[in-house]
Amino acid sequence: SQKIEQNSEALNIQEGKTATLTCNYTNYSPAYLQWYRQDPGRGPVFLLLIRENEKEKRKERLKVTFDTTLKQSLFHITASQPADSATYLCEISGGYNKLIFGAGTRLAVHP
Amino acid sequence: KAGVTQTPRYLIKTRGQQVTLSCSPISGHRSVSWYQQTPGQGLQFLFEYFSETQRNKGNFPGRFSGRQFSNSRSEMNVSTLELGDSALYLCASRGGGGLSGANVLTFGAGSRLTVL
Repeated sequence: SQKIEQNSEALNIQEGKTATLTCNYTNYSPAYLQWYRQDPGRGPVFLLLIRENEKEKRKERLKVTFDTTLKQSLFHITASQPADSATYLCEISGGYNKLIFGAGTRLAVHP
Repeated sequence: KAGVTQTPRYLIKTRGQQVTLSCSPISGHRSVSWYQQTPGQGLQFLFEYFSETQRNKGNFPGRFSGRQFSNSRSEMNVSTLELGDSALYLCASRGGGGLSGANVLTFGAGSRLTVL
């Protein structure tokens, strides 16, 4: 069956370091992969979209890679700040109606 | 422009009751999808509506239903509530224009349902 996996353990890092979150998927060939941020008690907020023919996408301190051979996306936050603490979700899209989310990885950035 | 609005934000029901949740999408967005979020299961897709038609459905029992009105507002209903239905129910809308815009979801703040 189609599956999307993210690190289930929380990621704890020191302020200023680079946070790297992983999203792996199986039995699927998504046309797009997207990352969202979710704060407690709120809905997810879209961050970045990367297409299958793109290797890397950047936005300010955020960087996303997409390796369709490994079936993996990495999400990096450079120079992390305590305000970056949240849960980050990846979502794969392939075919207009198919949207699948990972369970999310909680990131905690400590001062 | 206004975001996705969900009502009510919080509600408490007892087992066996039914509940209706409402979602108003971003103006101009015709697609509305619903998700259930629990700590253990993450975001689970319920269904998606487009122009008043259910376009896709997740693996939930028939107790979960929805509809969309001509103004794109959507409602979802859960009948015969069970304890396991306690969750955050999220609604998201998306526009139809352009490659990047077509799949990006804008979520509401959610409706937190507690079943006692």
